[in-house]
Amino acid sequence: QSALTQPPSVSGSPGQSVTISCTGTSNDVGSYNRVSWYQQPPGTAPKLIIYEVTDRPSGVPDRFSGSKSGNTASLTISALQAEDEADYYCSSYTTSNTLVFGGGTKLTVL
Amino acid sequence: QVQLVQSGAEVKKPGASVKVSCKSSGYTFNSYGISWVRQAPGQGLEWMGWISAYNGDTNYAENFQDRVTMTTDTSTSTAYMELRSLRSDDTAVYYCARDRYRYARATSCLDNWGQGTRVTVSS
Repeated sequence: QSALTQPPSVSGSPGQSVTISCTGTSNDVGSYNRVSWYQQPPGTAPKLIIYEVTDRPSGVPDRFSGSKSGNTASLTISALQAEDEADYYCSSYTTSNTLVFGGGTKLTVL
Repeated sequence: QVQLVQSGAEVKKPGASVKVSCKSSGYTFNSYGISWVRQAPGQGLEWMGWISAYNGDTNYAENFQDRVTMTTDTSTSTAYMELRSLRSDDTAVYYCARDRYRYARATSCLDNWGQGTRVTVSS
């Protein structure tokens, strides 16, 4: 199972919006709405911020939103804040009953 | 609140085995599955496999199928991951993480993570 494809890095200024893409195949992202996004600041464990493509766990700001079209899922962070600087990973359930992660995207807040 | 507390850092020689523990609290342990995910230095997340804490079913990633064993001890709410025949490229931080969904037949979303266990493989 190959990793999902994410851009290595994105950046934006405070107050702006950024979008991170996550491209898979018909064996994972394209087949299920079981796409999740995780935020990982340096030196910490990942934290779930989006599940089932669009849903946010309790406590996650509504500045974080998710979407999906075909084999590509996206995470949008609006009204960027300095504290959003972190690595972001997508994941998807697969037709092999496994979980696959994206390669990760480093978000820099300028 | 849900907590997953992992065992401490390990240093192993090539060819050895390592067993990492993950003690859960704050929820009904045997209602959820546990996944193991590793992260090599400067690299991304890699899913290793999953175990159901309520029936012991396992599902291992193809890359680890012949070297990994995942188990649970429901009496202590603890999950274990053993990796054998260690190589230098197994040097990584190993995380346990809980399924979001109760009684899931496979893992699809991980809502609570342990703090990670650093495993270093060096001669």
